[in-house]
Amino acid sequence: EAQVTQNPRYLITVTGKKLTVTCSQNMNHEYMSWYRQDPGLGLRQIYYSMNVEVTDKGDVPEGYKVSRKEKRNFPLILESPSPNQTSLYFCASTHQAGGNSPLHFGNGTRLTVT
Amino acid sequence: SQKIEQNSEALNIQEGKTATLTCNYTNYSPAYLQWYRQDPGRGPVFLLLIRENEKEKRKERLKVTFDTTLKQSLFHITASQPADSATYLCALPRSGGSYIPTFGRGTSLIVHP
Repeated sequence: EAQVTQNPRYLITVTGKKLTVTCSQNMNHEYMSWYRQDPGLGLRQIYYSMNVEVTDKGDVPEGYKVSRKEKRNFPLILESPSPNQTSLYFCASTHQAGGNSPLHFGNGTRLTVT
Repeated sequence: SQKIEQNSEALNIQEGKTATLTCNYTNYSPAYLQWYRQDPGRGPVFLLLIRENEKEKRKERLKVTFDTTLKQSLFHITASQPADSATYLCALPRSGGSYIPTFGRGTSLIVHP
């Protein structure tokens, strides 16, 4: 089944403890992206990747890192999480950057930073 | 600056009626517009894409219109059902050539039995 898989689904952590949220897609998509979703603010893009080893900042990149060493994986790294990063996170992918193909989203990771 | 506006107030309708949701945008010249459905706590799911040269697109009970003069898209669900209750998001590609979609904040639809 074609899908975007995020793990973990839920994560509670403490301020300053490094964490990684994994994202994997099995559709051979070139483009991958991370979003956070907060009440009243909608989906905001954190980072995106046009292809392997090509990443760029979205609208709200501060406090996050990403890497794209393989086409299928696009992990999101929080080196020193803070409470303002408590949010619902989504990974998404699509066939090709620059086209009009739809985004496929993962089921989300609900992160709480205390 | 580029802006996408969707009604933040929930739309409440009775089962069987047609739901109409609006997406307005400013400072965009999009080649296309997409609509997604999002259920609580889940990722958005793509529904329909309409291109700038298309006035209307249909898929089963869904219909999307795209008026580039008014800078508006309307999303209709005919014969609505309680299972249609969800948040509906519109998305447009940013200008600049690369695919960096921006989403509206979404409108919640509640269909009452």
